[in-house]
Amino acid sequence: RKEVEQDPGPFNVPEGATVAFNCTYSNSASQSFFWYRQDCRKEPKLLMSVYSSGNEDGRFTAQLNRASQYISLLIRDSKLSDSATYLCVVNRGTGGFKTIFGAGTRLFVKA
Amino acid sequence: GAVVSQHPSWVICKSGTSVKIECRSLDFQATTMFWYRQFPKQSLMLMATSNEGSKATYEQGVEKDKFLINHASLTLSTLTVTSAHPEDSSFYICSAARDSNTDTQYFGPGTRLTVL
Repeated sequence: RKEVEQDPGPFNVPEGATVAFNCTYSNSASQSFFWYRQDCRKEPKLLMSVYSSGNEDGRFTAQLNRASQYISLLIRDSKLSDSATYLCVVNRGTGGFKTIFGAGTRLFVKA
Repeated sequence: GAVVSQHPSWVICKSGTSVKIECRSLDFQATTMFWYRQFPKQSLMLMATSNEGSKATYEQGVEKDKFLINHASLTLSTLTVTSAHPEDSSFYICSAARDSNTDTQYFGPGTRLTVL
């Protein structure tokens, strides 16, 4: 079993749709959590950090449930430019962290 | 701020040659740098963690004699793929963190290596 698992995708949605991505992690010692976006043949770019209290940035909302070891990302009013691969990322460790990437979920937003 | 560059952005080489990839933090000092590899349609896999002035820590399954990492300064780390073979063709991405306790890392744009 992978340490970070995501919905396999791809998700094909029309513009304006709301789409939700799920992610689970297996190591309870994980300490910090992120969603990254990766465009084809590009490096990952930080989308947002994820907190237990939930956080929102415009059309994007991220949520963390530590008890269930579950992370989510909600995208409202999808735009064509949201088409990308979304990576669930978990950091664990102290005095030297280790980053574990999920395999990513591909999103296609169509006109 | 927090810009990381990589050079070259792409490279094509013959089998058996060595390739050096540079990773630079342009506007901050990076005590810790990470090297990742990403094969098509797969996730980023951590290869090694390097701390300035000390030997790199390699992940299980990554040959340290094949992937030589040098982190000689607070702004530069290099990855040398020695005696490259076609199976080493991949997207190599570095990231940099200000220190090992700060878990925010900044990614370079990646280097696409193709070994013929």
